[in-house]
Amino acid sequence: DAGVIQSPRHEVTEMGQEVTLRCKPISGHNSLFWYRQTMMRGLELLIYFNNNVPIDDSGMPEDRFSAKMPNASFSTLKIQPSEPRDSAVYFCASSPTGVNTEAFFGQGTRLTVV
Amino acid sequence: AQTVTQSQPEMSVQEAETVTLSCTYDTSESDYYLFWYKQPPSRQMILVIRQEAYKQQNATENRFSVNFQKAAKSFSLKISDSQLGDAAMYFCAYRRLNQGAQKLVFGQGTRLTINP
Repeated sequence: DAGVIQSPRHEVTEMGQEVTLRCKPISGHNSLFWYRQTMMRGLELLIYFNNNVPIDDSGMPEDRFSAKMPNASFSTLKIQPSEPRDSAVYFCASSPTGVNTEAFFGQGTRLTVV
Repeated sequence: AQTVTQSQPEMSVQEAETVTLSCTYDTSESDYYLFWYKQPPSRQMILVIRQEAYKQQNATENRFSVNFQKAAKSFSLKISDSQLGDAAMYFCAYRRLNQGAQKLVFGQGTRLTINP
């Protein structure tokens, strides 16, 4: 398996623009997570899905952020409008459902908002 | 809410020596998982080792081992025979034991430098 695939690897955008980050989880994994990593706040969970249904979005910073999982093989994280403080590395991770499971991470998208 | 604390922002060790990274956590749960993840400069998050809280035996993976002290809520990572490739950020993480999807709660990380 190719692992969790995120695109793009890097994104530079101007303040106010819409940004869409994409994730393809590992086939057969039922759970999908979006994390954000910054120097100040470390790794924070933004939202996670189980069987394509959002379970906990309490980490989504504000209404400018939205996430969707239209099917088991694809998820998006959208920021509209983007702001410089959104600059961070965004990770997608997936895991199979079960007690003894681990999360597998993508390589992340480095977002820079100027 | 569960919290994870890594009190060492940076550590360094001579190549071939042993280093221990500290992690403490706070939870009211009795069953859970603990993890150490490695993040090299490539950004990829790589699972190093996992410990189930209901197991008394400390987990080991080749040169990596943990010292799990449940009562003290401590979960340290020992790296033996350090190699240059071990240089990375190391994150301790907690996860509840649950059949459904459960999030990982991460510590702030420890940056490990290996001196040749």
